[in-house]
Amino acid sequence: DAGVIQSPRHEVTEMGQEVTLRCKPISGHDYLFWYRQTMMRGLELLIYFNNNVPIDDSGMPEDRFSAKMPNASFSTLKIQPSEPRDSAVYFCASSSSAGPTDTQYFGPGTRLTVL
Amino acid sequence: GENVEQHPSTLSVQEGDSAVIKCTYSDSASNYFPWYKQELGKRPQLIIDIRSNVGEKKDQRIAVTLNKTAKHFSLHITETQPEDSAVYFCAASILYGGSQGNLIFGKGTKLSVKP
Repeated sequence: DAGVIQSPRHEVTEMGQEVTLRCKPISGHDYLFWYRQTMMRGLELLIYFNNNVPIDDSGMPEDRFSAKMPNASFSTLKIQPSEPRDSAVYFCASSSSAGPTDTQYFGPGTRLTVL
Repeated sequence: GENVEQHPSTLSVQEGDSAVIKCTYSDSASNYFPWYKQELGKRPQLIIDIRSNVGEKKDQRIAVTLNKTAKHFSLHITETQPEDSAVYFCAASILYGGSQGNLIFGKGTKLSVKP
Protein backbone atom coordinates (compact mmCIF):
# COMPACT_ATOMS: atom_id res chain seq x y z
CA ASP A 1 0.00 0.00 0.00
CA ALA A 2 1.30 3.45 -0.85
CA GLY A 3 0.03 4.94 2.38
CA VAL A 4 -1.77 8.25 2.62
CA ILE A 5 -1.06 10.41 -0.41
CA GLN A 6 -1.15 14.18 -0.35
CA SER A 7 -0.68 16.74 -3.08
CA PRO A 8 0.89 19.09 -3.66
CA ARG A 9 3.85 18.60 -1.32
CA HIS A 10 4.69 22.29 -1.44
CA GLU A 11 2.51 25.24 -2.33
CA VAL A 12 3.51 28.87 -2.51
CA THR A 13 0.78 31.36 -3.24
CA GLU A 14 -0.08 34.98 -2.79
CA MET A 15 -2.51 36.38 -0.29
CA GLY A 16 -6.05 36.31 -1.58
CA GLN A 17 -5.59 33.31 -3.83
CA GLU A 18 -7.55 30.09 -3.50
CA VAL A 19 -5.61 27.05 -2.33
CA THR A 20 -6.75 23.44 -2.66
CA LEU A 21 -5.01 20.62 -0.85
CA ARG A 22 -5.71 17.03 -1.78
CA CYS A 23 -5.63 13.74 0.07
CA LYS A 24 -6.06 10.10 -0.83
CA PRO A 25 -6.49 7.93 2.28
CA ILE A 26 -5.30 4.38 2.65
CA SER A 27 -7.65 2.06 0.79
CA GLY A 28 -10.29 0.61 3.09
CA HIS A 29 -9.89 3.23 5.80
CA ASP A 30 -13.18 4.80 6.85
CA TYR A 31 -11.86 7.76 8.84
CA LEU A 32 -10.04 10.75 7.39
CA PHE A 33 -8.53 13.62 9.35
CA TRP A 34 -7.12 17.02 8.35
CA TYR A 35 -4.53 18.62 10.65
CA ARG A 36 -2.57 21.85 10.59
CA GLN A 37 0.88 22.08 12.18
CA THR A 38 2.71 25.27 13.13
CA MET A 39 5.50 25.99 15.56
CA MET A 40 3.24 28.18 17.66
CA ARG A 41 0.15 25.99 17.88
CA GLY A 42 1.49 22.48 17.30
CA LEU A 43 -0.78 19.88 15.71
CA GLU A 44 -4.36 21.04 15.41
CA LEU A 45 -7.24 18.93 14.17
CA LEU A 46 -9.25 20.88 11.62
CA ILE A 47 -11.94 18.38 10.62
CA TYR A 48 -12.55 14.67 10.36
CA PHE A 49 -14.80 12.45 8.30
CA ASN A 50 -16.29 9.00 8.86
CA ASN A 51 -17.55 7.19 5.78
CA ASN A 52 -17.24 10.45 3.80
CA VAL A 53 -19.45 12.36 6.26
CA PRO A 54 -17.98 15.27 8.26
CA ILE A 55 -18.20 14.39 11.95
CA ASP A 56 -16.48 17.29 13.67
CA ASP A 57 -15.44 20.52 11.98
CA SER A 58 -15.07 22.57 15.14
CA GLY A 59 -11.37 22.98 14.47
CA MET A 60 -11.86 24.75 11.15
CA PRO A 61 -10.53 28.26 11.81
CA GLU A 62 -13.13 30.24 9.92
CA ASP A 63 -15.37 30.32 6.91
CA ARG A 64 -12.41 30.68 4.60
CA PHE A 65 -11.68 27.00 5.21
CA SER A 66 -13.82 24.24 3.75
CA ALA A 67 -13.33 20.50 3.33
CA LYS A 68 -15.08 17.88 1.27
CA MET A 69 -14.93 14.15 0.84
CA PRO A 70 -16.89 13.26 -2.29
CA ASN A 71 -15.92 9.58 -2.10
CA ALA A 72 -13.99 7.12 0.04
CA SER A 73 -10.72 7.70 -1.79
CA PHE A 74 -10.48 11.46 -2.04
CA SER A 75 -10.74 14.56 0.10
CA THR A 76 -9.94 18.23 -0.38
CA LEU A 77 -9.20 21.09 1.97
CA LYS A 78 -9.78 24.48 0.42
CA ILE A 79 -8.76 27.91 1.66
CA GLN A 80 -10.39 30.88 -0.04
CA PRO A 81 -9.11 33.55 0.21
CA SER A 82 -5.75 32.56 1.65
CA GLU A 83 -3.89 34.74 4.17
CA PRO A 84 -0.24 34.75 5.35
CA ARG A 85 -1.29 33.36 8.75
CA ASP A 86 -2.51 30.22 6.96
CA SER A 87 1.12 29.31 6.26
CA ALA A 88 1.69 25.90 7.87
CA VAL A 89 2.14 22.23 7.13
CA TYR A 90 -1.20 20.54 6.50
CA PHE A 91 -1.39 16.82 7.21
CA CYS A 92 -4.04 14.37 6.18
CA ALA A 93 -4.38 11.12 8.14
CA SER A 94 -6.59 8.09 7.84
CA SER A 95 -7.60 5.22 10.06
CA SER A 96 -9.82 2.17 10.08
CA SER A 97 -12.44 1.20 12.62
CA ALA A 98 -12.22 -2.43 11.49
CA GLY A 99 -9.67 -4.99 12.59
CA PRO A 100 -6.95 -4.50 15.17
CA THR A 101 -5.61 -1.21 13.92
CA ASP A 102 -7.27 2.07 14.79
CA THR A 103 -4.08 4.01 14.51
CA GLN A 104 -4.02 7.18 12.47
CA TYR A 105 -1.57 7.06 9.57
CA PHE A 106 -0.32 10.41 8.40
CA GLY A 107 0.43 11.53 4.88
CA PRO A 108 3.67 13.37 4.04
CA GLY A 109 2.01 16.76 4.45
CA THR A 110 1.63 19.84 2.29
CA ARG A 111 3.83 22.79 3.19
CA LEU A 112 1.81 25.92 2.42
CA THR A 113 3.39 29.34 2.20
CA VAL A 114 1.13 32.34 1.68
CA LEU A 115 3.03 35.49 0.77
CA GLY B 1 -13.46 18.57 26.10
CA GLU B 2 -10.22 16.68 26.42
CA ASN B 3 -7.01 18.55 27.15
CA VAL B 4 -3.56 16.95 26.94
CA GLU B 5 -0.52 18.51 28.61
CA GLN B 6 2.96 17.30 27.70
CA HIS B 7 6.28 17.86 29.50
CA PRO B 8 9.03 18.71 29.01
CA SER B 9 8.92 20.72 25.80
CA THR B 10 12.61 20.01 25.18
CA LEU B 11 14.83 17.23 26.49
CA SER B 12 18.53 16.69 25.93
CA VAL B 13 20.26 13.44 26.96
CA GLN B 14 23.55 11.72 26.36
CA GLU B 15 23.63 8.70 24.13
CA GLY B 16 22.94 5.60 26.18
CA ASP B 17 20.93 7.41 28.84
CA SER B 18 17.18 7.04 29.33
CA ALA B 19 14.58 9.63 28.35
CA VAL B 20 11.15 10.07 29.91
CA ILE B 21 8.32 12.19 28.53
CA LYS B 22 5.16 12.71 30.54
CA CYS B 23 1.60 13.59 29.57
CA THR B 24 -1.55 14.28 31.53
CA TYR B 25 -5.11 14.27 30.26
CA SER B 26 -8.32 15.72 31.60
CA ASP B 27 -11.16 13.50 30.36
CA SER B 28 -11.46 10.35 32.46
CA ALA B 29 -13.38 8.71 29.60
CA SER B 30 -10.27 8.70 27.39
CA ASN B 31 -9.14 5.15 26.79
CA TYR B 32 -6.60 5.21 23.98
CA PHE B 33 -3.15 6.80 24.24
CA PRO B 34 -0.80 6.70 21.24
CA TRP B 35 2.68 8.19 20.94
CA TYR B 36 3.99 9.59 17.67
CA LYS B 37 7.53 10.38 16.59
CA GLN B 38 8.15 13.14 14.07
CA GLU B 39 11.57 13.56 12.54
CA LEU B 40 12.50 16.90 11.07
CA GLY B 41 10.53 17.60 7.92
CA LYS B 42 8.67 14.30 8.04
CA ARG B 43 5.24 13.06 9.03
CA PRO B 44 4.27 11.94 12.53
CA GLN B 45 4.51 8.16 12.83
CA LEU B 46 3.06 5.95 15.53
CA ILE B 47 5.71 4.30 17.68
CA ILE B 48 3.63 2.75 20.45
CA ASP B 49 0.14 2.96 21.91
CA ILE B 50 -1.66 1.79 25.01
CA ARG B 51 -5.27 1.24 25.93
CA SER B 52 -6.82 1.86 29.31
CA ASN B 53 -7.16 -1.81 30.17
CA VAL B 54 -3.35 -2.10 30.23
CA GLY B 55 -0.95 -0.42 32.66
CA GLU B 56 2.27 -0.86 30.75
CA LYS B 57 3.40 -1.83 27.29
CA LYS B 58 6.92 -2.40 26.01
CA ASP B 59 8.46 -2.67 22.57
CA GLN B 60 12.22 -3.16 22.62
CA ARG B 61 13.74 0.10 23.95
CA ILE B 62 10.40 1.90 24.16
CA ALA B 63 7.83 1.53 26.90
CA VAL B 64 4.66 3.38 27.85
CA THR B 65 3.02 3.42 31.26
CA LEU B 66 -0.50 4.53 32.11
CA ASN B 67 -1.94 5.61 35.44
CA LYS B 68 -5.68 6.01 34.96
CA THR B 69 -6.30 7.17 38.50
CA ALA B 70 -3.89 10.04 38.15
CA LYS B 71 -4.74 10.52 34.46
CA HIS B 72 -1.19 10.50 33.24
CA PHE B 73 0.90 8.40 30.90
CA SER B 74 4.58 8.39 30.10
CA LEU B 75 6.96 7.36 27.34
CA HIS B 76 10.25 5.77 28.35
CA ILE B 77 13.13 5.33 25.94
CA THR B 78 16.11 3.37 27.21
CA GLU B 79 19.64 3.22 25.79
CA THR B 80 18.96 6.28 23.65
CA GLN B 81 20.66 6.60 20.28
CA PRO B 82 21.21 9.67 18.07
CA GLU B 83 18.49 8.42 15.71
CA ASP B 84 15.99 8.79 18.55
CA SER B 85 16.35 12.56 18.16
CA ALA B 86 12.95 13.86 17.04
CA VAL B 87 9.79 15.52 18.31
CA TYR B 88 7.53 13.16 20.24
CA PHE B 89 3.79 13.73 20.58
CA CYS B 90 1.43 12.08 23.01
CA ALA B 91 -2.30 11.94 22.32
CA ALA B 92 -5.52 10.79 23.92
CA SER B 93 -8.88 9.79 22.59
CA ILE B 94 -12.04 7.90 23.36
CA LEU B 95 -12.70 4.77 21.33
CA TYR B 96 -16.31 3.60 21.10
CA GLY B 97 -16.24 -0.05 20.23
CA GLY B 98 -14.30 -0.07 16.96
CA SER B 99 -14.93 3.57 16.19
CA GLN B 100 -12.07 6.01 15.99
CA GLY B 101 -12.28 8.92 18.35
CA ASN B 102 -10.83 12.35 17.91
CA LEU B 103 -7.13 12.35 18.86
CA ILE B 104 -6.12 15.29 21.06
CA PHE B 105 -2.37 15.86 20.81
CA GLY B 106 0.07 17.28 23.32
CA LYS B 107 2.34 20.13 22.19
CA GLY B 108 5.30 17.85 21.63
CA THR B 109 8.72 17.22 23.17
CA LYS B 110 11.86 17.85 21.19
CA LEU B 111 14.33 15.14 22.18
CA SER B 112 18.01 15.60 21.38
CA VAL B 113 20.38 12.69 21.92
CA LYS B 114 24.01 13.81 22.02
CA PRO B 115 26.63 11.31 20.89
